[in-house]
Amino acid sequence: DAGVTQSPTHLIKTRGQQVTLRCSPKSGHDTVSWYQQALGQGPQFIFQYYEEEERQRGNFPDRFSGHQFPNYSSELNVNALLLGDSALYLCASSLGLDIGLNGYTFGSGTRLTVV
Amino acid sequence: QQPVQSPQAVILREGEDAVINCSSSKALYSVHWYRQKHGEAPVFLMILLKGGEQKGHEKISASFNEKKQQSSLYLTASQLSYSGTYFCGTARISGSRLTFGEGTQLTVNP
Repeated sequence: DAGVTQSPTHLIKTRGQQVTLRCSPKSGHDTVSWYQQALGQGPQFIFQYYEEEERQRGNFPDRFSGHQFPNYSSELNVNALLLGDSALYLCASSLGLDIGLNGYTFGSGTRLTVV
Repeated sequence: QQPVQSPQAVILREGEDAVINCSSSKALYSVHWYRQKHGEAPVFLMILLKGGEQKGHEKISASFNEKKQQSSLYLTASQLSYSGTYFCGTARISGSRLTFGEGTQLTVNP
């Protein structure tokens, strides 16, 4: 049973560019949450998608946007990249809006480096 | 409000015990514990719910003190495989996002 799949695994972009990260949730899960993890820090919540709508959003600027498709996969888009956007971006899937007793299933992340 | 984890780092010899704490200044609905090995995805360990009891397995267990809004993760008779960074994630109400602490780096040496 496949877990959470994220692509690409690594990415290098230049300041000002735009980037799209992709996530396929664990089979049977319908909710996708995105987290940003800076080096040596805990994951910070970006937003959550359920039924193709953004349901919750963390303290991130509008440069960060997302989408969820009918097959529950999701994309994270970041515009006008800044050096400070360099981080590991984690996708976490779950069933329903409540994380529930089984917690999140995380992907291995996309390492974004902005130069 | 980000929960505070302590200690920031701990080094053990195989077979020793460790306790990792997670404290919040706000009332919590649930506390999650995850372990992340270098270059890998965080892996869910367990969840403690408001009003719930201590949970876990024989060697990794956790408790949640509602009066103090503090959770503790207990690792007994540590194994090399326990090495990694442990994160607590807290939720203030059912269905809300998790807010993670900064993590506790655990190293178990032979």
